[in-house]
Amino acid sequence: DADVTQTPRNRITKTGKRIMLECSQTKGHDRMYWYRQDPGLGLRLIYYSFDVKDINKGEISDGYSVSRQAQAKFSLSLESAIPNQTALYFCATSDPNPPSESSYNEQFFGPGTRLTVL
Amino acid sequence: GENVEQHPSTLSVQEGDSAVIKCTYSDSASNYFPWYKQELGKGPQLIIDIRSNVGEKKDQRIAVTLNKTAKHFSLHITETQPEDSAVYFCAASTGTASKLTFGTGTRLQVTL
Repeated sequence: DADVTQTPRNRITKTGKRIMLECSQTKGHDRMYWYRQDPGLGLRLIYYSFDVKDINKGEISDGYSVSRQAQAKFSLSLESAIPNQTALYFCATSDPNPPSESSYNEQFFGPGTRLTVL
Repeated sequence: GENVEQHPSTLSVQEGDSAVIKCTYSDSASNYFPWYKQELGKGPQLIIDIRSNVGEKKDQRIAVTLNKTAKHFSLHITETQPEDSAVYFCAASTGTASKLTFGTGTRLQVTL
């Protein structure tokens, strides 16, 4: 089973609709992240959470909100979707206390959600 | 904040040749530089990383070099194989923050 799962994998919606993307992980990591990927722009951080009570904005948080329901679950919401939010969205996790120094700071990504806003 | 530039955006090499991808960063406080590989339809996966107290690191056919003075680091893949075809991202981070700033990606195509 995948360690980091995202649902849905694909979603097509209309402008103005509220959308929620969900991320679950079985790695037991405290830290979770949401990124969006656009062609030519790489991966950009939307929000991140270092534990259940800690939520932080990333570089492109406008138009998005998040909820950390539990250590294993981190959801991204688009309150009123617009076409320029069409992108590939990734959830990732990391462990601030990894078993080896070599894996410190490593982020583990989910398979992504392709969102299209018409 | 940190800014990471990556070049080239696309790279085509013949099987067996070497490939080099270069990145520059802006924040002199950055001290951790990972490289991620993204295969089609999948999320990025860490392939190698380097910390600022090291100038070079190798792992089989993959190596990363770091020049702190010039603030740039590079990924070197030798003896390329078709399975190396993917999008590669460099990133930079400052110590314990574990927030990564990614480059814009390089699409590597290895042709037979």
